[in-house]
Amino acid sequence: QVQLVESGGGVVQPGRSLRLSCAASGFTFSSYGMHWVRQAPGKGLEWVAVIWYDGSNKYYADSVKGRFTISRDNSKNTLYLQMNSLRAEDTAVYYCAREMTTVTTGVSGYWGQGTLVTVSS
Amino acid sequence: EIVLTQSPGTLSLSPGERATLSCRASQSVSSSYLAWYQQKPGQAPRLLIYGASSRATGIPDRFSGSGSGTDFTLTISRLEPEDFAVYYCQQYGSSLPYMYTFGQGTKLEIK
Repeated sequence: QVQLVESGGGVVQPGRSLRLSCAASGFTFSSYGMHWVRQAPGKGLEWVAVIWYDGSNKYYADSVKGRFTISRDNSKNTLYLQMNSLRAEDTAVYYCAREMTTVTTGVSGYWGQGTLVTVSS
Repeated sequence: EIVLTQSPGTLSLSPGERATLSCRASQSVSSSYLAWYQQKPGQAPRLLIYGASSRATGIPDRFSGSGSGTDFTLTISRLEPEDFAVYYCQQYGSSLPYMYTFGQGTKLEIK
C-alpha cells in the first residue's frame, strides 16, 4: 500500500535552514507529482509546493517563494523540501502528499503523517 | 489567486442528522476543480471528493459533493460518530497559475 514517511523536522532558529525528506513506497514514485502541505498549530491547511513526476516543473506558494525549494530523487523514491531563511511563521506540521493520479492537477490522494518544524530562538 | 471561504466555521449536529457545508470561491473554479478533505485530530487529511462531486476510493456514499462556478457544497446525509472532524475544500487545476489553495475549514462537532 502507499506509504509516505516524512522526516527531518525539529527546532531551528530564525534565519537558519532545514531540509525535510519524504520516503515513498508502495507505488511507482517516478510516475506521480508530489506536494508539500503545511499546517500551523491549531490552524488550517496551507499548500506549499508541487513538483511534477519527473521534476520538470515546480511551483510554490507566494509565502515560501524564493526561500523554499522542492526536489525529488526518483532513484531513491524520496521527496525533499529545502527550507532556507526560516521565520517563526513557518512553524507547522509539514505533510508530503501524492497526487491522486499520474496527472498532476493538485488533488492529494495520499498523505504522510507529517513532521513538525518549529522555528524559535 | 482564488480565495475559498467556508461556512459555517463550526457546525453542531447530532449523529443521524444531515450536514451541509459550504465553500465559496472568490472567482469561478474552472472545470469544477474542487476537492474536499476530512481531517481528524492528530491525523493527516483524507481526500473525500474531487471534481466537485466524485467520491474518492473507499469513501462512503453518505458523502456527496455538488456545485459549480463559485459555490460548492459537501453534504453528509446521515452523520455517523466518526464523521465529526474538520473539513477543508481546495481548488486545484491543470493550468497556470498552479496555486492549490485551501479554505479555512469547517469544524463539524457533536451537539
